Amino acid sequence: DAGVIQSPRHEVTEMGQEVTLRCKPISGHDYLFWYRQTMMRGLELLIYFNNNVPIDDSGMPEDRFSAKMPNASFSTLKIQPSEPRDSAVYFCASTPGGTGYEQYFGPGTRLTVT
Amino acid sequence: RKEVEQDPGPFNVPEGATVAFNCTYSNSASQSFFWYRQDCRKEPKLLMSVYSSGNEDGRFTAQLNRASQYISLLIRDSKLSDSATYLCVVNNGGSQGNLIFGKGTKLSVKP
Repeated sequence: DAGVIQSPRHEVTEMGQEVTLRCKPISGHDYLFWYRQTMMRGLELLIYFNNNVPIDDSGMPEDRFSAKMPNASFSTLKIQPSEPRDSAVYFCASTPGGTGYEQYFGPGTRLTVT
Repeated sequence: RKEVEQDPGPFNVPEGATVAFNCTYSNSASQSFFWYRQDCRKEPKLLMSVYSSGNEDGRFTAQLNRASQYISLLIRDSKLSDSATYLCVVNNGGSQGNLIFGKGTKLSVKP
């Protein structure tokens, strides 16, 4: 079975550009999470969805970040406009239940903003 | 106080050694506890859940002390392939709370 799929795997963009990261969760998983990982701050939760509905977006750094989940098999994380401090690895994860369950991570998108 | 604290390491140990990692968490309402493993430039993967009674999976033993809000991971007879970063993870209280990840402890097993 396919795991969590993320695209692109690498993204290099210039400051001010719009960046869209994509995620396809594992089929049947009701929860989807977006994380950001940096050396300084570790792995941080940005937002998570349950049955396509955003439950907690308190980790979204600012209005430049937005996330959507139009259906059970697709989610996007958009940064507009991007800044160099947004450079990080962005992971998407899914789980069939609540947070007592194992989260399955995608391979991540390595974003570099110059 | 940080929500989940770990010694960042690195722990450099020879093959066959026993190594222990510790983790403390701040939210006394946390109910679920895990250790994840993350290889260099890869995604985190679940290593094992941590139960109140303690649990063992082969060479790995995890323990939880709720009173002290402390979690441990013991690796016996370490292998070269155990080299990775180990992330301590707790949920943020309640069954629907989000997970809080520690920054990880880096382990390097040398021949």
